[in-house]
Amino acid sequence: GAVVSQHPSRVICKSGTSVKIECRSLDFQATTMFWYRQFPKKSLMLMATSNEGSKATYEQGVEKDKFLINHASLTLSTLTVTSAHPEDSSFYICSAREGWGSPDTQYFGPGTRLTVL
Amino acid sequence: AQKVTQAQTEISVVEKEDVTLDCVYETRDTTYYLFWYKQPPSGELVFLIRRNSFDEQNEISGRYSWNFQKSTSSFNFTITASQVVDSAVYFCALSEYTNAGKSTFGDGTTLTVKP
Repeated sequence: GAVVSQHPSRVICKSGTSVKIECRSLDFQATTMFWYRQFPKKSLMLMATSNEGSKATYEQGVEKDKFLINHASLTLSTLTVTSAHPEDSSFYICSAREGWGSPDTQYFGPGTRLTVL
Repeated sequence: AQKVTQAQTEISVVEKEDVTLDCVYETRDTTYYLFWYKQPPSGELVFLIRRNSFDEQNEISGRYSWNFQKSTSSFNFTITASQVVDSAVYFCALSEYTNAGKSTFGDGTTLTVKP
């Protein structure tokens, strides 16, 4: 099946720094990618939807200036957590959708665990 | 707005017992997708099943089976003869039919299978 990778798998950073997380579709072109956030022992919450070549659509309550999303190609989307603070510590998961219409299939990446000190 | 409720926060069973994980959903859409995912301690989501709202047939895959009841908005998941390796968090999710990646997840059920 299709594979989605994320890099890095784990990152620890100091408060105030910015962190970039990459999401790549390895063997298919992802017209749309999604970014989710998961707090410990909690559910996944959709943060934003990104379409290649256009601005991301953010869910209500998600700060677009805090979580910058770029989807520059059909195989790569990046999430940058700007000026990270301890409350941004979380498990970030991306998913990529193959295909333009329905039925379509979503593939999840392995996740990136961010710890902000 | 869409909503998924997994009322069972934690379930503990002994190996070889059967266990059913409940999922109830709410949506105004007439067409939609339902999913089940497994999340082991490593964190990576493992896709188990996708079911569209047109298809109410129950499905069986090995020890796994799913019961979709549109009349009660439920999509329950049963593991037969549970094994220790089944221990994980299981998520039920609902998505738009035309945008299957935009999913609403339930809070998850933590299943512990003891030897």
